[in-house]
Amino acid sequence: DVKVTQSSRYLVKRTGEKVFLECVQDMDHENMFWYRQDPGLGLRLIYFSYDVKMKEKGDIPEGYSVSREKKERFSLILESASTNQTSMYLCASSVVNTGELFFGEGSRLTVL
Amino acid sequence: GNSVTQMEGPVTLSEEAFLTINCTYTATGYPSLFWYVQYPGEGLQLLLKATKADDKGSNKGFEATYRKETTSFHLEKGSVQVSDSAVYFCALRDGGSQGNLIFGKGTKLSVKP
Repeated sequence: DVKVTQSSRYLVKRTGEKVFLECVQDMDHENMFWYRQDPGLGLRLIYFSYDVKMKEKGDIPEGYSVSREKKERFSLILESASTNQTSMYLCASSVVNTGELFFGEGSRLTVL
Repeated sequence: GNSVTQMEGPVTLSEEAFLTINCTYTATGYPSLFWYVQYPGEGLQLLLKATKADDKGSNKGFEATYRKETTSFHLEKGSVQVSDSAVYFCALRDGGSQGNLIFGKGTKLSVKP
C-alpha cells in the first residue's frame, strides 16, 4: 500500500516555539505539498515542492518555511508559532502532472 | 484566478436516499476535475476524476460528469449508505500547474440509518 506518513498526529505548542512537522512518502513521488485545513475554509496550500531542494510558495506561506533535502521527506517549519496557526496540517505527494494526490492522516497542531 | 465553489453543508440524508453535491468551477483553459473524500479521522483520498469535457468519473457508486458548458462537476450517488458519511471536496488542476490542486471548501455528508 502506498503511504504518506506524518510524524505527529497531535501536537500542543506554546506561542513563540519553533515547530517541525515531518512528512515521509514511500512512493518515489516528485511532488510534495503542505496544506492547512480549517473549518469553513477548506484546504489552503502553504508550500509545495516538485524536486529535492526546490520549493514554491502556495497561497498562504507567511509564517511558514519548508525543507526538502531528500526526495521522500518534506518538512514544514513554523519559526515562531502563533495562536492563529492552530490548525490541521495535511501533507500530500503526487507523481508530477497527474493531480492525484496521496494524503497523510494529518497533524493537528494547537498553539497556546 | 481559478476557483472551485461547492454547496455548503452539512447535508443530512437517510440511508438509500439520492445524493447530489453541487460543484462549479472557474478556470482558464481545460482543467482536470476531481472529487476527494475525507472519512472521519483520516486524510483525503481520491474518489473520482475527469480530465476532459463530457468525461464521467465513477467509483464506489459515485459519479460526476465534466460539464464544460455549465462549468460544473456535480457528485451523485443513487443510494447512500451510512459508511458514506464523510467530507467531500471538489478540486481542479490547471493544466499548466505542477500538479497542485485548488480545492473547494468541502461538504460534510451525514447519512442516518
